[in-house]
Amino acid sequence: DAKTTQPPSMDCAEGRAANLPCNHSTISGNEYVYWYRQIHSQGPQYIIHGLKNNETNEMASLIITEDRKSSTLILPHATLRDTAVYYCIVRLDSGGYQKVTFGTGTKLQVIP
Amino acid sequence: EAGVTQFPSHSVIEKGQTVTLRCDPISGHDNLYWYRRVMGKEIKFLLHFVKESKQDESGMPNNRFLAERTGGTYSTLKVQPAELEDSGVYFCASSQTPHTGSLSYEQYFGPGTRLTVT
Repeated sequence: DAKTTQPPSMDCAEGRAANLPCNHSTISGNEYVYWYRQIHSQGPQYIIHGLKNNETNEMASLIITEDRKSSTLILPHATLRDTAVYYCIVRLDSGGYQKVTFGTGTKLQVIP
Repeated sequence: EAGVTQFPSHSVIEKGQTVTLRCDPISGHDNLYWYRRVMGKEIKFLLHFVKESKQDESGMPNNRFLAERTGGTYSTLKVQPAELEDSGVYFCASSQTPHTGSLSYEQYFGPGTRLTVT
């Protein structure tokens, strides 16, 4: 799986959009970009994933650059409950038998 | 629908003792995974069951760790004998098996078991 690079920490004001960047310059054509988060004392939680098109769900939006070498996770209106470590992961999808390889992630602090 | 549950939530044992962690996946999920985070490190994959069979156990650290999933439902992870470096949080996750040609279904994680070896 391709490696990813994320800033170690970020702050965001409550109610504002949180934009979390991720670089994955060695991503291959059949690898997907996944985002997970881990809120303190809880298990990791899946957020969103995409291949090359931008994606949106009830939690967040995922913007992937045209060359697929980087992406941005957007939390449109951050709340205090969004304070967590966010992991950008690149992985293959081949029949669902894919372990998740976590990196160090970005610690997002939402400030009141 | 109940999520992935893990028991116990916390366990404190002495070095050399045995501990068994339990994971109950979401009903109907054939895939069950174990992960752990030791102090200050990243979350690491341990192994993956498909039903009762071990699909991938490449992350198991050594033979002091034994995972089972008899009957393809709940799973146990036994550490015997426990060492100080086994302290950490052990997570279990489960997912459905996707249909041919579809994307994998996502993994749902449990809250974890915090293991402290003293």
